[in-house]
Amino acid sequence: RKEVEQDPGPFNVPEGATVAFNCTYSNSASQSFFWYRQDCRKEPKLLMSVYSSGNEDGRFTAQLNRASQYISLLIRDSKLSDSATYLCVVTHNAGNMLTFGGGTRLMVKP
Amino acid sequence: DTAVSQTPKYLVTQMGNDKSIKCEQNLGHDTMYWYKQDSKKFLKIMFSYNNKELIINETVPNRFSPKSPDKAHLNLHINSLELGDSAVYFCASSQDPAFSYNEQFFGPGTRLTVL
Repeated sequence: RKEVEQDPGPFNVPEGATVAFNCTYSNSASQSFFWYRQDCRKEPKLLMSVYSSGNEDGRFTAQLNRASQYISLLIRDSKLSDSATYLCVVTHNAGNMLTFGGGTRLMVKP
Repeated sequence: DTAVSQTPKYLVTQMGNDKSIKCEQNLGHDTMYWYKQDSKKFLKIMFSYNNKELIINETVPNRFSPKSPDKAHLNLHINSLELGDSAVYFCASSQDPAFSYNEQFFGPGTRLTVL
């Protein structure tokens, strides 16, 4: 079993739609949680950190459920530019090394 | 101004060769990393390094070795290249690793193809 699991998609949605991604992690000692975004043939970039109380950044809302070891990302009013792969990421050990999920691909269509 | 840069961007080489990938960051960060992204797009940590400590992912073959001439550079040396080493290699850096919510900044990647 992979340490961080995501539905690979692709999720094909029209512009303006709301879409949600989920992620589960297996290590209960995980300390910090993130969503990174990766465009095709580019490097990953931090989208947002995920805190225990949940947090929002514009159209993006992230939630963390430590009891269920579950992380979510909600994107409202999808834009064409949101098309990318969304990577669920956790850390749990010394050295702050990131453990990535396999990514969920989102395609927003006109 | 590029924050994390890598050279070369593309590297094509024969099996059995030894090669290096260079990484530089101008962010003043204390910690640098190497990640490998395989053909299935799975990103996996290889090394974490600062001036005090090298942490190695136990799955990384000892043919791979990081070398840091100074705090701003972490180069990746690969000996006796194998077909399975073909992947995109990303360098990254972050501030104090003791703070677990530090953002990591990634370089543009080096696409290695072993023939």
